Amino acid sequence: FMLTQPHSVSESPGKTVTISCTRSSGSIASNYVQWYQQRPGSSPTTVIYEHNQRPSGVPDRFSGSIDSSSNSASLTISGLKTEDEADYYCQSYYTSIVLFGGGTKLTVL
Amino acid sequence: EVQLLESGGGLVQPGGSLRLSCAASGFTFSSYALTWVRQAPGKGLEWVSGISGSGSSTYYAASAKGRFTISRDNSKNTLYLQMNSLRAEDTAVYFCAKGVDSGSYYWLDPWGQGTLVTVSS
Repeated sequence: FMLTQPHSVSESPGKTVTISCTRSSGSIASNYVQWYQQRPGSSPTTVIYEHNQRPSGVPDRFSGSIDSSSNSASLTISGLKTEDEADYYCQSYYTSIVLFGGGTKLTVL
Repeated sequence: EVQLLESGGGLVQPGGSLRLSCAASGFTFSSYALTWVRQAPGKGLEWVSGISGSGSSTYYAASAKGRFTISRDNSKNTLYLQMNSLRAEDTAVYFCAKGVDSGSYYWLDPWGQGTLVTVSS
């Protein structure tokens, strides 16, 4: 299956933005979805794992969810800060194969 | 603190070979599956290969199968990626990342800083 993300999103500081990740086939709930943040020149870091879990150190402004009706996962960032500007990737897996979405460039302006 | 440090990248001619290493510290190395993920310049993330904690099970993306070999030395806490028959499209930053347990890497965390492989004549 494939994971499809919007190429880019933009929003103003203090606002809320949601990034979607749609699974092409099979149920989104069948395999955990993770979300990674990648700032320019840096390695990816986890902001959400197992659909909606936040690692320690990640602000609660970041939240994850899945929607079976649209077969998609979502990353929501509230109270946007300029430091949230980055690329965001969703990721899932099946039978030991890891799949990434194409990435979404978040611009905070 | 868990740390992963890749090395071995560089410039190689098409058709050439390169071996990447990933030195790990801060966790019981043999208890965790590990993976390689690459990122071509200006592009997204692409999973390359994964290996179980014991090293007995290995998995490859279609783009790597038959050309790349993943392995690990649990006595040296080091992960490897042997890359043969390299092509221009293999040019990328290669990251190693730690899995969840000895048999699964459904979640990759943390990641190393990456090593750049450039395939060009």
